[in-house]
Amino acid sequence: GAGVSQTPSNKVTEKGKYVELRCDPISGHTALYWYRQSLGQGPEFLIYFQGTGAADDSGLPNDRFFAVRPEGSVSTLKIQRTERGDSAVYLCASSSPSGTGYNEQFFGPGTRLTVL
Amino acid sequence: GQNIDQPTEMTATEGAIVQINCTYQTSGFNGLFWYQQHAGEAPTFLSYNVLDGLEEKGRFSSFLSRSKGYSYLLLKELQMKDSASYLCALTYDPGAGSYQLTFGKGTKLSVIP
Repeated sequence: GAGVSQTPSNKVTEKGKYVELRCDPISGHTALYWYRQSLGQGPEFLIYFQGTGAADDSGLPNDRFFAVRPEGSVSTLKIQRTERGDSAVYLCASSSPSGTGYNEQFFGPGTRLTVL
Repeated sequence: GQNIDQPTEMTATEGAIVQINCTYQTSGFNGLFWYQQHAGEAPTFLSYNVLDGLEEKGRFSSFLSRSKGYSYLLLKELQMKDSASYLCALTYDPGAGSYQLTFGKGTKLSVIP
């Protein structure tokens, strides 16, 4: 398929553990976004990559959250010392930036994280 | 900052027309998106408005009034498969070129026979 893929689709972990969530964007898309969606809410912006660099990480809630995109394609969102409040669906999106507001983002199916 | 309001839930009948409203306040504006999200699935793009007026796309239309901070999504000839959440989202570049999306909480539309 040519869409955005995310793995795993579901992740159950215990409080205090470390988790990694992976996103494989659409080939050729230089922009990559991570969002978090809690039940009954819209997605909430976490971080934006343009190429390999995190150009905007203003949405990361605290320093337990970190993301990388070392080769400008696949990205990994890393969460340390997980807390029950981190339970949510983590969505990844990619786009081919136009330099304007018309920046259609294509979303992956998400990773549902449950922290027990 | 940005604030987006949309109704939580709506119900409409198959074959009818429904209008989902979205009001917003924002310090910067680069456009407004509507996304559709079926339960347990990813949001998918429906429409984009940056200028005032109506954009039509098949059974779906979206309207924007920037002076009023108001948009609506109009769905015609409703089908059962239109049952989903509809997300209003602002796009804004805070200076990093991100054009990140700020979403409302979504309107859950139920289409009944």
